[in-house]
Parts: sequence; C-alpha cells; structure tokens
Amino acid sequence: NAGVTQTPKFQVLKTGQSMTLQCAQDMNHNSMYWYRQDPGMGLRLIYYSASEGTTDKGEVPNGYNVSRLNKREFSLRLESAAPSQTSVYFCASSGTYQETQYFGPGTRLLVL
Amino acid sequence: KNQVEQSPQSLIILEGKNCTLQCNYTVSPFSNLRWYKQDTGRGPVSLTIMTFSENTKSNGRYTATLDADTKQSSLHITASQLSDSASYICVVSAEGGSNYKLTFGKGTLLTVNP
Repeated sequence: NAGVTQTPKFQVLKTGQSMTLQCAQDMNHNSMYWYRQDPGMGLRLIYYSASEGTTDKGEVPNGYNVSRLNKREFSLRLESAAPSQTSVYFCASSGTYQETQYFGPGTRLLVL
Repeated sequence: KNQVEQSPQSLIILEGKNCTLQCNYTVSPFSNLRWYKQDTGRGPVSLTIMTFSENTKSNGRYTATLDADTKQSSLHITASQLSDSASYICVVSAEGGSNYKLTFGKGTLLTVNP
C-alpha cells in the first residue's frame, strides 16, 4: 500500500498562475483533507471531504477550490496564485474524522 | 473558542535522556486526543490516539497520558534517540456528529543531540 500520495512534490508559480495539487489514497478511507502548514502557524485546514460527493470549507478556504473526484482522489486548485499561498500543503485521509489521519508527504509551493 | 496549547515550543536534550512534552486544551465536548510526530520535510505520523476513558497509552518508547478533568495531556519519550528529533503535534477532536471538529496545536520542536 502506498498510503497517501501527493503530486507534485515541489512547484514554483508566478503570481496569477493556476495549478492543481493532486492527492490519492489507497486505504479505502471515506474522509480526505487538505491542510497548509506555515512556520509558527501549525497545520490549518483548507477544505475537507467527509465522504465521496461532499466537500466543506475549513479554516482558510479563500483562494482555493477542491474536487472529490472519487473515493480515492481529492484535488486542490489554486485559480490565481498569490505570494501569500506560498506554503507546504498536506493531504490526509481517515476512515472518519474521529479516526487517525494519515498524511501524505506534502507539496512545497513557492509563489513569486 | 477551542484551543490547544503546547509547551515548550522547543526543547533540546542529550541522546539517552528522557523528556516530557505538554498539551493543554479547551476543546469541548471532548472526543479524543492524538499525538503526531513530524520529521523535517515529511508529513505527520500518528503516535497515539486516546479517548476519554484512557489515561495512558504507549507506543514503544512513547507514552501519552491524558487527564480529562484538567484537560491536560503529556507525551513522555524514554531513552531518546537521534531519530526522535522532530516536531510533536497535539490534536484534539470534539464530538459533533460527522462534522469536522479537530483543533491542532502548533507543536513542540524536539532536538536530540549526541
């Protein structure tokens, strides 16, 4: 089992460019999450999907959109990147939100 | 407002020594508390998850304690190793049906020196 995989591992964007971060899990989990992690801020939830077909906003959703493509895949899109979106992005999954979350390796995004 | 406070922010110890990390929370109603280890440049990995009825839970050299009355938890690391150098994150989950209700601490950065 690969667990949670994320692509790309690293990306540099110019202000105003768009991109999609991909996440997939092979643990048959219902719930999936997108977090961003900034120095001194800890992990902050951007969006989550409690089950296939549903998505909900987290603490910092502005500037992002998500798609729960199927049970395995949950993508995060930046429509018009801003320097404030420079961060490390983690995808995670769990059976339900009350259960242990399994995190991917992260995507390091730099917006110039 | 639900909050999770961790202390200390950072800690340096010598290899072989023990240490204890603290987590205080104001999350209500409480469901469970988790400790994660995050190595530099990697995603967090779960160490323990504890419910209201569990006072102590171990995972190898890691032992977590929970006092639900005082809303405090600690993570004790025994006979530290260089590989224990990481950030340790406390996460508290609140009851609430299917809605997401997780509160993350900012972590304690542990450095183990030879």
